[in-house]
Amino acid sequence: GESVGLHLPTLSVQEGDNSIINCAYSNSASDYFIWYKQESGKGPQFIIDIRSNMDKRQGQRVTVLLNKTVKHLSLQIAATQPGDSAVYFCAENIDGVGGSYIPTFGRGTSLIVHP
Amino acid sequence: DAGVIQSPRHEVTEMGQEVTLRCKPISGHDYLFWYRQTMMRGLELLIYFNNNVPIDDSGMPEDRFSAKMPNASFSTLKIQPSEPRDSAVYFCASKQRHNEKLFFGSGTQLSVL
Repeated sequence: GESVGLHLPTLSVQEGDNSIINCAYSNSASDYFIWYKQESGKGPQFIIDIRSNMDKRQGQRVTVLLNKTVKHLSLQIAATQPGDSAVYFCAENIDGVGGSYIPTFGRGTSLIVHP
Repeated sequence: DAGVIQSPRHEVTEMGQEVTLRCKPISGHDYLFWYRQTMMRGLELLIYFNNNVPIDDSGMPEDRFSAKMPNASFSTLKIQPSEPRDSAVYFCASKQRHNEKLFFGSGTQLSVL
């Protein structure tokens, strides 16, 4: 079956560096993607989303890039801070019953920020 | 709003016992999801409800698992009988109909000995 996956399970960076977390998806019909951040002991939290009619979307210190040709997403975090240490998930949103999207999560990438 | 509230935060039980996990979604949210998180499989969707009605339970691992949503402000996930392989963190999440952003609770850490 089709699924969402991640290239790197763990990413270690120095504080102040930029971080790039990658995600590959295989369902060509997917047209909506969300990045979530999960801190230790907590549930995932929404960071940023992007629809397939966009190539790039920016938030506060975060940018998501979408390459539909190779079915690839990336999350860029500028000037990474210790508080950014967490597991990051990309979620592929699949059209569910009733017209709402149902998210399917990849396994996640652990980001470790060293002071 | 206090967000999605799950209880208990931690549950330790012995194999064969019944386990009930509880969730209170955010008021006004139409959808409720139950996920299970393990290192091996990541976040797995178990079941989701729309307006208190179960829509897709294909992710429920087996008949030992059941979920209910008797009203818009409460849902339970029950495991009977529990087994050690059920040990995981169980998350509840909710969302509004036309907003795809999921709001997660803090999860229930279940350990079955």
